[in-house]
Amino acid sequence: GQQVMQIPQYQHVQEGEDFTTYCNSSTTLSNIQWYKQRPGGHPVFLIQLVKSGEVKKQKRLTFQFGEAKKNSSLHITATQTTDVGTYFCAGISSGSARQLTFGSGTQLTVLP
Amino acid sequence: NAGVTQTPKFRILKIGQSMTLQCAQDMNHNYMYWYRQDPGMGLKLIYYSVGAGITDKGEVPNGYNVSRSTTEDFPLRLELAAPSQTSVYFCASGGNKNTEAFFGQGTRLTVV
Repeated sequence: GQQVMQIPQYQHVQEGEDFTTYCNSSTTLSNIQWYKQRPGGHPVFLIQLVKSGEVKKQKRLTFQFGEAKKNSSLHITATQTTDVGTYFCAGISSGSARQLTFGSGTQLTVLP
Repeated sequence: NAGVTQTPKFRILKIGQSMTLQCAQDMNHNYMYWYRQDPGMGLKLIYYSVGAGITDKGEVPNGYNVSRSTTEDFPLRLELAAPSQTSVYFCASGGNKNTEAFFGQGTRLTVV
């Protein structure tokens, strides 16, 4: 079945440093979604990428979808303490698949 | 709109007991999902549904059952609870497989 891996599993950064998390799927995806989960909270949708090679920005966050539609990345510039949480990618395989499979997540800690 | 509502928020079960986790959404979404999240881990798909009367197994369906008699409701049934089912359970819904998923607040279940 489809597997979605994320690295790193944990990342500690000093406030103001950059942060990147990487997502790799075992199958080609129809789209990739990114979610953020604050400690003790539930996942909240951030963005969806659909096209091969697509790049989207949300303020300090940059999201990228690979050319082969099997990998993606999230880059945060100049982290702030409000960025603390776990970032998940999620995707559905191309074709008839309908399962939304989540990556293992990257837990970000920002030290003030 | 309430979004996705899960009940109860917390529950302690004894080994061998049964219970139903309730999930309701008021967004007229076709897709609904049940995930479990073990401490410090990612989200694993238990079951999902693409519409009333249609359900499919996810990655970890053993020990669980679901039904989808209406668009709004997607209850998750645990029969013969085991300690391995101690987890946080999230229900989510989405309009279709290419739109964002909205999550409920979660049910924290402990089996002792």
